[in-house]
Formats: sequence, C-alpha cells, structure tokens
Amino acid sequence: DIQMTQSPSSVSAFVGDRVTITCRASQGISSWLAWYQQKPGKAPKLLIYAASSLQSGVPSRFSGSGSGTDFTLTISSLQPEDFATYYCQQANSFPLTFGGGTKVDIK
Amino acid sequence: EVQLVESGGGLVQPGGSLRLSCAASGFTFSSYAMSWVRQAPGKGLEWVSSISGSTGSTYYADSVKGRFTISRDNSKNTLYLQMNSLRAEDTAVYYCAKDLEIGTIGWFDPWGQGTLVTVSS
Repeated sequence: DIQMTQSPSSVSAFVGDRVTITCRASQGISSWLAWYQQKPGKAPKLLIYAASSLQSGVPSRFSGSGSGTDFTLTISSLQPEDFATYYCQQANSFPLTFGGGTKVDIK
Repeated sequence: EVQLVESGGGLVQPGGSLRLSCAASGFTFSSYAMSWVRQAPGKGLEWVSSISGSTGSTYYADSVKGRFTISRDNSKNTLYLQMNSLRAEDTAVYYCAKDLEIGTIGWFDPWGQGTLVTVSS
C-alpha cells in the first residue's frame, strides 16, 4: 500500500498569509494526487486533482504542484473561509489512500 | 446539479448487518465510477470501496474485504454498500462520492452529506 504523509499536521496563520502544506508518497505516484478541503461537520470538497489541476469553482489562490513522491498545496493569501482541514489522496493504485490531514486555524 | 443523498445508517450491534444507499441525480449515473469513503469520529478519511461505471469492477480496502459489498443499480441511479459482520471499528460517517471524470477512479467530486453508522452493543 502507498502511504501518504502530510506535514505539518496543523498550522496557525493570519488572514493574508501564504500557507504551504506538503504531502509525501511512500512510492512514486506520478501526478495521481488530489487535495480536499473539509470544514467541521461537512463533507470534503475537491480542490485540486492530477496534482495541479484546479477544480472548477475553486478560487485561484489555491494551487498544487509536484510529481513522483513530493507534492505541495499552496494557499497564496489565506482567507477567513479557508480555515479548515486539508487532505491529500493518491489515486495511482488501489487501495486508494489519504494523508492524515492538516488543520489550518486562525493565529 | 449533481446530488448524492446517503441513507441507511444507524445503530447496529457488533456482528450485525446494515445496507447503505446513495441516491444520485443530476448526471448520467451509469457512466461514472462511484465510491464509499468513511471517517471515524474525530479521525481522518479512509477509502472503503469503489465500483467502476462501465464494467462494474469492484475494489475494496483490506479492512472491509470479505465483509462489505459495493453494488449499483443503474436503473435506479443508486449506489449501495452492504455491510456484514460489523465491528466497533467500522463506526464512522460513510460518504458516497462520484468520480470527477468518466473512465477514472479516484478523483472524488462531489460527495454526499454522509450517513452515520454506529456499531455498539
């Protein structure tokens, strides 16, 4: 199974800050990576797929990069509505696996 | 508008069974892979199972293989998850999710609102 390791597990930031979350796969997954945002009590929402493709309707302040084993999700200017937990997920092979999550909260 | 509505969750005793349903609308259901993802209370996301849109091929996490069965009824636009031999560790909110694109499995968009399954005596 492919293990997905996210860091940090939590980050405190101000509105307007640039936030970067990293995700590392235990083996190469090409660009088969997605990022999701989840707010408390809500279902996850797809932000980025294929490592860097922005899902329709997602603000352009979100961006993804990387390939192989190392990936990043960047929020260029954190907005109040961005405080949430973020998960990476690999779709290279079964079983599909998620990272442990990164909680972004207000500093 | 794509809509996914799960139902069938509830309280069940260890060793019991439950069938979850996910009613889909707003897209050509038979063309898309569908999946179940769960989230234990206060924990992260765990993929459970997927079924392809074209061939109906099925895939399972090791933690549920042999106990859970995913299926779909394309005439009713409904996805199912039959859960047998339930354990306390199966307690979670279960989400159904549509795949983003025809022919792929693994980009989950959108997700349903979730249904809570509690396994306890």
